[in-house]
Amino acid sequence: DVKVTQSSRYLVKRTGEKVFLECVQDMDHENMFWYRQDPGLGLRLIYFSYDVKMKEKGDIPEGYSVSREKKERFSLILESASTNQTSMYLCASSRSGTPYEQYFGPGTRLTVT
Amino acid sequence: LAKTTQPISMDSYEGQEVNITCSHNNIATNDYITWYQQFPSQGPRFIIQGYKTKVTNEVASLFIPADRKSSTLSLPRVSLSDTAVYYCLVGDIRRSSASKIIFGSGTRLSIRP
Repeated sequence: DVKVTQSSRYLVKRTGEKVFLECVQDMDHENMFWYRQDPGLGLRLIYFSYDVKMKEKGDIPEGYSVSREKKERFSLILESASTNQTSMYLCASSRSGTPYEQYFGPGTRLTVT
Repeated sequence: LAKTTQPISMDSYEGQEVNITCSHNNIATNDYITWYQQFPSQGPRFIIQGYKTKVTNEVASLFIPADRKSSTLSLPRVSLSDTAVYYCLVGDIRRSSASKIIFGSGTRLSIRP
């Protein structure tokens, strides 16, 4: 089975802190994604990476950056956390030829106070 | 990318067949249709994907008419554990479109005893 793991299930940070969310997949997938999910807004794509060191912006990249130094690991960085970044963050991966067949991690519930 | 429209919520009873329809009037020639299921506090799970006619797997069936302007996810003999949010996605499976994936708000399916 594909396994996508995220570093924390729950995280509480203060406004202005730098926050790292880590995601690791074990299926040698080329594609990795970061989404945030908010009530009434569904899942919104923050960033997409199709290879090591390669990335593309999604719908809502403002306030976020990403890093992909190794194929299996994709990090989401909040340079200066703000309260409006309180959300559920979901990581996913997929093979190169099937970007719509994604495997998701359990999510990280981030609260910024 | 093609915009999708699906009912906000649906109710059904155990043992019934449930059909969730998704409208995608401006679907493009290269677009595929993909459905996901999401349980509370979990990441979405890929259910099924299709391009035309009918696709069936161990979980569901996907019906796509000839004009491809809509699709129907069919869940046979649902149980309480099928209570979840179901998302319809439409898009080109080539990598160039992966950064434009849109999940939308989905259909909240509630199954009663």
